[in-house]
Amino acid sequence: AQSVTQLGSHVSVSEGALVLLRCNYSSSVPPYLFWYVQYPNQGLQLLLKYTSAATLVKGINGFEAEFKKSETSFHLTKPSAHMSDAAEYFCAVSPYSGGGADGLTFGKGTHLIIQP
Amino acid sequence: DGGITQSPKYLFRKEGQNVTLSCEQNLNHDAMYWYRQDPGQGLRLIYYSQIVNDFQKGDIAEGYSVSREKKESFPLTVTSAQKNPTAFYLCASSAPGQGEVVGELFFGEGSRLTVL
Repeated sequence: AQSVTQLGSHVSVSEGALVLLRCNYSSSVPPYLFWYVQYPNQGLQLLLKYTSAATLVKGINGFEAEFKKSETSFHLTKPSAHMSDAAEYFCAVSPYSGGGADGLTFGKGTHLIIQP
Repeated sequence: DGGITQSPKYLFRKEGQNVTLSCEQNLNHDAMYWYRQDPGQGLRLIYYSQIVNDFQKGDIAEGYSVSREKKESFPLTVTSAQKNPTAFYLCASSAPGQGEVVGELFFGEGSRLTVL
């Protein structure tokens, strides 16, 4: 069984400040991990993914995430927030054994607010 | 351009009526999924299909039905048995074993259903 916990349903940062969105996972097998972004009334767009290669993963729009097995974490960061980063962010997990065709398990999401 | 098309974008339904949400993909993906999104609850899996003419229940299948007669299409019917159908519905597809990362989902733009 797998699960994802995103700490903080809402995170507020100032424009230009560091963005840190937290994600911890639970998986009985080695996982693949994903971060998705969702803008209002739209679908989800992939930001980045961890697939057991490099532990530091770079994604689109200046975001990156680091896989830490010892902490079972996959936190998302961006050095300098921009107003356009305001959105809902979802962390998700999938086992890379067993085919993985039964979908992803998602966290409840973190709403990122950017203060001018 | 390849992608996933959901229709309609917005739908209003009277209580007791069945409605069908359309999902079409031209990505040549074998697997397709329906998720339900409610504020603060993340995404929950309704049904998924790994191949034509076969589908499986997800975590919240009660009150929903699907069909998969063609690889490209995976319509979702919200029946009158669904007690709280007002939500945002997301369709996704994936191609594990077809060159895509296991578990990575590609999403449509969503359909917002409101019961009057």
